[in-house]
Amino acid sequence: AQRVTQPEKLLSVFKGAPVELKCNYSYSGSPELFWYVQYSRQRLQLLLRHISRESIKGFTADLNKGETSFHLKKPFAQEEDSAMYYCALSGAGGTSYGKLTFGQGTILTVHP
Amino acid sequence: GAVVSQHPSWVICKSGTSVKIECRSLDFQATTMFWYRQFPKQSLMLMATSNEGSKATYEQGVEKDKFLINHASLTLSTLTVTSAHPEDSSFYICSAREAGGTGNQPQHFGDGTRLSIL
Repeated sequence: AQRVTQPEKLLSVFKGAPVELKCNYSYSGSPELFWYVQYSRQRLQLLLRHISRESIKGFTADLNKGETSFHLKKPFAQEEDSAMYYCALSGAGGTSYGKLTFGQGTILTVHP
Repeated sequence: GAVVSQHPSWVICKSGTSVKIECRSLDFQATTMFWYRQFPKQSLMLMATSNEGSKATYEQGVEKDKFLINHASLTLSTLTVTSAHPEDSSFYICSAREAGGTGNQPQHFGDGTRLSIL
């Protein structure tokens, strides 16, 4: 079974401080990992995916297969980063291909 | 960008009523759409995968006769909650994945439908 764990429900930082949102996963094969973000009163939207290996809005995430983690990082948080962040996993094949399993979500608050 | 429209955004109805929720991809074709359920302060739980022109695939524990899914075109999937009861009250969210391409295409999400059964 595939599982995604986000240990922090709430995370508060001050503007300009580094931020790291933790995500650990459990999957027997080679997964694809995603970070989705939901800003206040907006729909869920894709922030980044591990296969793209790109930085979006200053955020990066590296897939660590040894630690089964996909932590989201940003060196200098901004107030507009305040949102709900979901880590999600999709199986690379078989019956779980294309299906997303979400973590519980982390509410990030960036204080001025 | 890819936009998914979900309608209605909020519905309140009496117990025993059937409720239909629509999910439309506005500017792209979606061979696959997904239906999620979200309880308060909890994560999204996948209910079923809707494939255009074929039967939906339901996740374990989801009653297919209770949650009827129809994906008749490449831009529309509907979820009908039949004979809804108070325990069906929840936030239902759909997503759509663009047709074509290789690998795991990203899913684009609708705004969700808040269903309240009295």
